[in-house]
Amino acid sequence: AQSVTQLDSHVSVSEGTPVLLRCNYSSSYSPSLFWYVQHPNKGLQLLLKYTSAATLVKGINGFEAEFKKSETSFHLTKPSAHMSDAAEYFCVVIPSGGYNKLIFGAGTRLAVHP
Amino acid sequence: DTEVTQTPKHLVMGMTNKKSLKCEQHMGHRAMYWYKQKAKKPPELMFVYSYEKLSINESVPSRFSPECPNSSLLNLHLHALQPEDSALYLCASSPQETYTGELFFGEGSRLTVL
Repeated sequence: AQSVTQLDSHVSVSEGTPVLLRCNYSSSYSPSLFWYVQHPNKGLQLLLKYTSAATLVKGINGFEAEFKKSETSFHLTKPSAHMSDAAEYFCVVIPSGGYNKLIFGAGTRLAVHP
Repeated sequence: DTEVTQTPKHLVMGMTNKKSLKCEQHMGHRAMYWYKQKAKKPPELMFVYSYEKLSINESVPSRFSPECPNSSLLNLHLHALQPEDSALYLCASSPQETYTGELFFGEGSRLTVL
């Protein structure tokens, strides 16, 4: 069965410093992996997705993630945090079977300080 | 138009009330979803409609009754709810129910059951 583990429940950074949100996956096949973001009192928005093309995936708002099969990781990064990046971030995998049945990680809350 | 619109944004109801949540999208998407999200938790899938037919029910109690009157509308009828049903209810849509993982979410309806 597929699953994702987000290694940090909270991450705090200063504005202008790099962001690293960590996600490890478990899958018996090459997975499709995603990062979604949820700003306070809002719905979720797709940041980026990996579907077995390029291992370095660029998303919206300057975020990117690298798929590393050897480490079973799909960490989300951004070179310079902005105050507006403060939100909850979910790492997501979808199972085999051809359905949009998202399997969510527990989430990482990113705080950005001035 | 890339929006999923949910109404109402906030709903307070007693345990004997009957109310409905509404979701609308005009992106021509053929799959629509209801998720439930408790505070500080990831969303949990409740129902999936594909081409206006219920395709997935995640063993949701019958006090939640989904309805898809047409390809643009999704309702969630609520009756005899319990206080533990208080949560953010998120609607989402996707072009079709296939292996893409790309869902478009509304901002949610925050439900409080007294």
